[in-house]
Amino acid sequence: AQRVTQPEKLLSVFKGAPVELKCNYSYSGSPELFWYVQYSRQRLQLLLRHISRESIKGFTADLNKGETSFHLKKPFAQEEDSAMYYCALSSTGRRALTFGSGTRLQVQP
Amino acid sequence: DAMVIQNPRYQVTQFGKPVTLSCSQTLNHNVMYWYQQKSSQAPKLLFHYYDKDFNNEADTPDNFQSRRPNTSFCFLDIRSPGLGDAAMYLCATSRDRALNEQFFGPGTRLTVL
Repeated sequence: AQRVTQPEKLLSVFKGAPVELKCNYSYSGSPELFWYVQYSRQRLQLLLRHISRESIKGFTADLNKGETSFHLKKPFAQEEDSAMYYCALSSTGRRALTFGSGTRLQVQP
Repeated sequence: DAMVIQNPRYQVTQFGKPVTLSCSQTLNHNVMYWYQQKSSQAPKLLFHYYDKDFNNEADTPDNFQSRRPNTSFCFLDIRSPGLGDAAMYLCATSRDRALNEQFFGPGTRLTVL
């Protein structure tokens, strides 16, 4: 069975500080990993996916298969980054996502 | 704008009274999903449709059913809601394979009295 763990329910940082949102997964095959974000009063939306190797809004995430992690990082947090962040996994051939329980990021001024 | 629409946004029902939640999409996506999200928990997949092909998750209770009469619409039916079914219900779509981005609706918050 596949599982996604986000150990922190809440992460509070000051504006300009580095951010790392942790995500660990368990899956025996080759996973596809995603980060989804939900801003206040908005719907859940895709932030980035590991296969694209892209940086979105200054965020990056590297898949570490040895540590089974896909942590989300940003060097300098902004107040508008405050949101709920969900890590999600899709297994080979499976169309649906398995979500972690989410981490709320609060960026204080 | 092309989007995923859920109606109603808030639904109140009584214990045991059947309720139907609605989802529509203008994206012409093949896949439609229903997730249940309880407070402070991860969204949990109930089932999904790949075109007309229904795919139920193994641990989805029989109390939950779904219909997809056409590409645009998908319904979630709860036959006999219990207090434990109070949650946010999220509808999502994707073009095809899981690599494709999933587009979420705003959700319907269900309250069971």
